[in-house]
Amino acid sequence: QKEVEQDPGPLSVPEGAIVSLNCTYSNSAFQYFMWYRQYSRKGPELLMYTYSSGNKEDGRFTAQVDKSSKYISLFIRDSQPSDSATYLCASLRYGKLTFGQGTILTVHP
Amino acid sequence: GAGVSQTPSNKVTEKGKYVELRCDPISGHTALYWYRQSLGQGPEFLIYFQGTGAADDSGLPNDRFFAVRPEGSVSTLKIQRTERGDSAVYLCASSLRDSKNIQYFGAGTRLSVL
Repeated sequence: QKEVEQDPGPLSVPEGAIVSLNCTYSNSAFQYFMWYRQYSRKGPELLMYTYSSGNKEDGRFTAQVDKSSKYISLFIRDSQPSDSATYLCASLRYGKLTFGQGTILTVHP
Repeated sequence: GAGVSQTPSNKVTEKGKYVELRCDPISGHTALYWYRQSLGQGPEFLIYFQGTGAADDSGLPNDRFFAVRPEGSVSTLKIQRTERGDSAVYLCASSLRDSKNIQYFGAGTRLSVL
């Protein structure tokens, strides 16, 4: 079993939809949780990071962590075609990031 | 300022050859990381430097892989006797030395072993 599990999708939604991306993790020692966005042939770009359980909002993006159930979520409101990318969840422990497989998202006009 | 720079962006080599991949981190970042990303997968950790020394090399798959960072800035990932299974995108990231370790990634080097 991988330490971070993520449904690879693909996920296709119409412009303006609310997108929900989810991951689960197994290692209780993970300290921080991140969401990265990766466009084709580019490196991952940090979107959000959280430490404790609860919600963190930044513009159209909301990251949610539930440490009791080991569940990580990213919500995208009013999705745009420019949001089409691969979204990677990651957990951090002692400097090492452990990534999920990534979810491919397409937002069509 | 400039982001993490990786060269070359693409490298094609033959099975059995030796390759070097270079990473130039963000100025002032003391920590540097190498990851490997296979097609359709998330990046996997290889090695992590704090300054000149390897703080954690537990992700290196075998002794054909080696990385150095002699002056605490630029790093080189070296792969000996390349195999077709080494084909992947090799990503480098850097961060400040703080508790969050927010890692900023380069665009990667796409290695193809024929």
